[in-house]
Amino acid sequence: EVQLVQSGAEVKKPGESLKISCKGSGYSFTRYWIGWVRQLPGKGLEWMGIINPGDSDTRYSPSFQGQVTFSADKSISTAYLQWSSLKASDTATYYCARLSAVAGEFDSWGQGTLVTVSS
Amino acid sequence: EIVMTQSPATLSVSPGERATLSCRAGQSVSSNLAWYQQKPGQAPRLLFYGASTRATGIPARFSGSGSGTEFTLTLSSLQSEDFAVYYCQQYNNWPFTFGQGTKLEIK
Repeated sequence: EVQLVQSGAEVKKPGESLKISCKGSGYSFTRYWIGWVRQLPGKGLEWMGIINPGDSDTRYSPSFQGQVTFSADKSISTAYLQWSSLKASDTATYYCARLSAVAGEFDSWGQGTLVTVSS
Repeated sequence: EIVMTQSPATLSVSPGERATLSCRAGQSVSSNLAWYQQKPGQAPRLLFYGASTRATGIPARFSGSGSGTEFTLTLSSLQSEDFAVYYCQQYNNWPFTFGQGTKLEIK
């Protein structure tokens, strides 16, 4: 069974750094791109970008370029999303998801990580 | 960036009835469109890809259609578990983009 398990909820202050994780299992982790999706409180889904865990090639949506960093450690089948300096507006639930091998849809999703940024 | 527009924002339908949700692309996305369902407190779930191909485990009462710029998700004979928010997503052009969602609520 394909599973993506994300790290737990975080509460941070503005200006702090953060790295959240997404561990894949039940499939060959390096054969599928992993994507990140943001959901602001009470709002819709926003496509942030994707990373190829096999070679760490990344593609960022322009809205998120320079705001976040994707990385991956294929030895432990884990992808990461990180911020160097959080803002209150980063408060959201972040989902990782597996990009289909055939097309561009997300066929499996993590459970989400709630990030709260507040002074 | 391709803007995806879903309508209506909220749709009120009685159980057992039919619901039709629309998704319009700002330019042609061919058939490179997916639909997702999201229930409160849960991650989204893939329903369709290629505009009309059901994902694994999706019941036949769900159907997807369309190509180019106009797409439709139809739910026939609504069940209680179908009331949720539905999103379309295009993957024809980078960056891939989601619609703003349609909330399907019980009438």
